[in-house]
Amino acid sequence: ETGVTQSPTHLIKTRGQQVTLRCSSQSGHNTVSWYQQALGQGPQFIFQYYREEENGRGNFPPRFSGLQFPNYSSELNVNALELDDSALYLCASSSPGGGGFYGYTFGSGTRLTVV
Amino acid sequence: AQRVTQPEKLLSVFKGAPVELKCNYSYSGSPELFWYVQYSRQRLQLLLRHISRESIKGFTADLNKGETSFHLKKPFAQEEDSAMYYCALSLMNTGNQFYFGTGTSLTVIP
Repeated sequence: ETGVTQSPTHLIKTRGQQVTLRCSSQSGHNTVSWYQQALGQGPQFIFQYYREEENGRGNFPPRFSGLQFPNYSSELNVNALELDDSALYLCASSSPGGGGFYGYTFGSGTRLTVV
Repeated sequence: AQRVTQPEKLLSVFKGAPVELKCNYSYSGSPELFWYVQYSRQRLQLLLRHISRESIKGFTADLNKGETSFHLKKPFAQEEDSAMYYCALSLMNTGNQFYFGTGTSLTVIP
């Protein structure tokens, strides 16, 4: 059984650019969530996908968007990058309906730096 | 609104001493609460969840609805417990969104 894998591990982008981060869910997990973790803060919920549909969103602007594919892998896209978008981006997956009860399995994250 | 509060950013205890990491939440419904731990250079991982009433690595946490708290406790701290600990609240009616606290960095002094 594989865990949650994210790519790339580190990324440097220029303000105004666009970025795509990728995540492969743990085997058997069909729900994926994305979190942003700024330095010294806890993870902040961006959105969640279930069966390729967004079914929950945190307080993030529309330039943060996502996709979930039939194999349950996922992407996080951020347009018009701002300096404050610099953070660790975490992907988390869970079994069907299980996240709220059983918790999520987290990936190691992608460290995004916007300069 | 801050839904999860961890008042201590840093906590140091001696090996063998009891440890308590505080967590308070704000939610009027029935909460699902979790503790996550992040050891140095490792990913965030689930430590325990209140619904299972389990003890993991000697840690326990009791949900106190009256005080809206979910403090993490261990009677005898070990050096390997040194890590970052996050309390998290799940709101089932928001698609299982998790609210995390800002975390407490625990250092166990040998």
